Amino acid sequence: EAQVTQNPRYLITVTGKKLTVTCSQNMNHEYMSWYRQDPGLGLRQIYYSMNVEVTDKGDVPEGYKVSRKEKRNFPLILESPSPNQTSLYFCASSFRGGTEAFFGQGTRLTVV
Amino acid sequence: KQEVTQIPAALSVPEGENLVLNCSFTDSAIYNLQWFRQDPGKGLTSLLLIQSSQREQTSGRLNASLDKSSGRSTLYIAASQPGDSATYLCAVKSRGVTGTASKLTFGTGTRLQVTL
Repeated sequence: EAQVTQNPRYLITVTGKKLTVTCSQNMNHEYMSWYRQDPGLGLRQIYYSMNVEVTDKGDVPEGYKVSRKEKRNFPLILESPSPNQTSLYFCASSFRGGTEAFFGQGTRLTVV
Repeated sequence: KQEVTQIPAALSVPEGENLVLNCSFTDSAIYNLQWFRQDPGKGLTSLLLIQSSQREQTSGRLNASLDKSSGRSTLYIAASQPGDSATYLCAVKSRGVTGTASKLTFGTGTRLQVTL
């Protein structure tokens, strides 16, 4: 089954403790991206990747890192999480930049 | 900078009614427009994708139209059912800031409730 898989689905952590949210797709898509969703603000792009070893900032990249060492994986790294990073995070992938986007089920992160 | 607006923010209709959700965007230079459904606390389910060269797409009781020149799209839901209750998101894929990549810009959604 074609899908985008995020892990974990739910995470509660403390301020400053590094964490990684994984994202994997099995559709051989070139383009992957991360979004966060906050009430009243909608979904905003954090980072995106056009292919292996090619990443760039989205609209709200501060406090986040990404890497794209393999085509199928695009982890989101929070080196020192803060409470304002409490949010619902989505990973998405598409074959190319202009094609249909597929989304993971989301990761609800709470930083206390 | 692309901006996407969805009206209304919330809508309540009785079961069986036909309804229209609206989406407008500021930059008509788009690759495509995608409608999603999101249930509370859940992920995004893609409903319809309209490429920039298309005028409409249909799937079952759903019909989405695109008027790129005026920066508008509508999602028509026929014979609404309680199971249609969810938030509907419109997203536009357009050229990113760097000029080489593309990005999805989302509206804040329309929360639909279909009552018995």
